[in-house]
Amino acid sequence: NAGVTQTPKFRILKIGQSMTLQCAQDMNHNYMYWYRQDPGMGLKLIYYSVGAGITDKGEVPNGYNVSRSTTEDFPLRLELAAPSQTSVYFCASSYSTTDTNTEAFFGQGTRLTVV
Amino acid sequence: GENVEQHPSTLSVQEGDSAVIKCTYSDSASNYFPWYKQELGKRPQLIIDIRSNVGEKKDQRIAVTLNKTAKHFSLHITETQPEDSAVYFCAASIPWGSYIPTFGRGTSLIVHP
Repeated sequence: NAGVTQTPKFRILKIGQSMTLQCAQDMNHNYMYWYRQDPGMGLKLIYYSVGAGITDKGEVPNGYNVSRSTTEDFPLRLELAAPSQTSVYFCASSYSTTDTNTEAFFGQGTRLTVV
Repeated sequence: GENVEQHPSTLSVQEGDSAVIKCTYSDSASNYFPWYKQELGKRPQLIIDIRSNVGEKKDQRIAVTLNKTAKHFSLHITETQPEDSAVYFCAASIPWGSYIPTFGRGTSLIVHP
């Protein structure tokens, strides 16, 4: 089991450029999430998905888009990058049913700088 | 939705002292309360969790207590060591439908040798 795999680990973007952060999990988790973490701050939820084909906005969705075509993959798209999107991005996944839920497993993070 | 408050935001202790981090939650339906540790430059990782049918859980030097009536839960670290220095996050979750875990804002624990 690789767990949650994020790519790339580091990226520098110019203002106005676009990119996709990749996230894949091999634990058959139904829930997946994207968080951003600014220096010295907590985790802010950008988007989440409760299963393939279903996504929803979190606390800070502006400037981002997601898709969930398969259970395994949950890419995050940044359109027209802005300096305010400079942050560390974490993808996470967990398993939840109406009876139980489990811990969230995090990817290693992507450090994005927009200049 | 659920709201989780975490205190303090920063905690500084001497090596060997105990550390306590407290969280409160708003939704009485929450039934799963994990704690994550994030070392500098690393990903958050689970260190201990507790479910609502249990009042206390221990794992070596760390323990978590849950008071469902008051809707608060705490992380206790005894005999702190420099390697305990990290940011700690609490979370609460509700077991149905559009469940997503709600995280506290984090506590930066600094253990001075």
